Amino acid sequence: QVQLVESGGGVVQPGRSLRLSCAASGFTFSSYGMHWVRQAPGKGLEWVAVISYDGSNKYYADSVKGRFTISRDNSKNTLYLQMNSLRAEDTAVYYCAKDQAAMVIQFRMDVWGQGTTVTVSS
Amino acid sequence: SYVLTQPPSVSVAPGQTARITCGGNNIGSKSVHWYQQKPGQAPVLVVYDDSDRPSGIPERFSGSNSGNTATLTISRVEAGDEADYYCQVWDSSSALCVFGTGTKVTVL
Repeated sequence: QVQLVESGGGVVQPGRSLRLSCAASGFTFSSYGMHWVRQAPGKGLEWVAVISYDGSNKYYADSVKGRFTISRDNSKNTLYLQMNSLRAEDTAVYYCAKDQAAMVIQFRMDVWGQGTTVTVSS
Repeated sequence: SYVLTQPPSVSVAPGQTARITCGGNNIGSKSVHWYQQKPGQAPVLVVYDDSDRPSGIPERFSGSNSGNTATLTISRVEAGDEADYYCQVWDSSSALCVFGTGTKVTVL
């Protein structure tokens, strides 16, 4: 079955870095764009970033641009989010999600992982 | 940046119809997607491209989009429909993916 499993979350001090991973299975990972979406405690969904199926195109939310980097390794069926210069407001559950359409980003997410929690605190 | 506005809450009796609105400037020109999120769970896509349903989503879920408002309609509401619902679009002018503010649906 199609599955996404995030890992790498934890407690980190402000200004430090963290890398999240998302392991994909059950579908042809290299054919689909992938997203990161986050949700702060008690708040709504916030889109973070998207990467095209081949890694050639990336888009970021203004709130993370210049600090976060999305990447993928299609040989390992894994999506990454490198988070630098972390701030308290980055505290959230981070979800990875699969774009619904193959070979082109349609910006709709049909499969989600269960999320990994990032807490930025001193 | 593009803003999507939803009512914070909607209450509906079992068997009745719930309508959740999503307001945005000329949203009718964009493709709107809707997600359901139950407490402690990841979101689930329930409607995409304004009115299409992914496989496995009941026909009770439907959508429409025109002018400045998109609407998710849940017919014959069941207790299991109680959840938060979010609309979402891609704003090509800003190259940003935007979620609505979210609506909590309560089944009375």
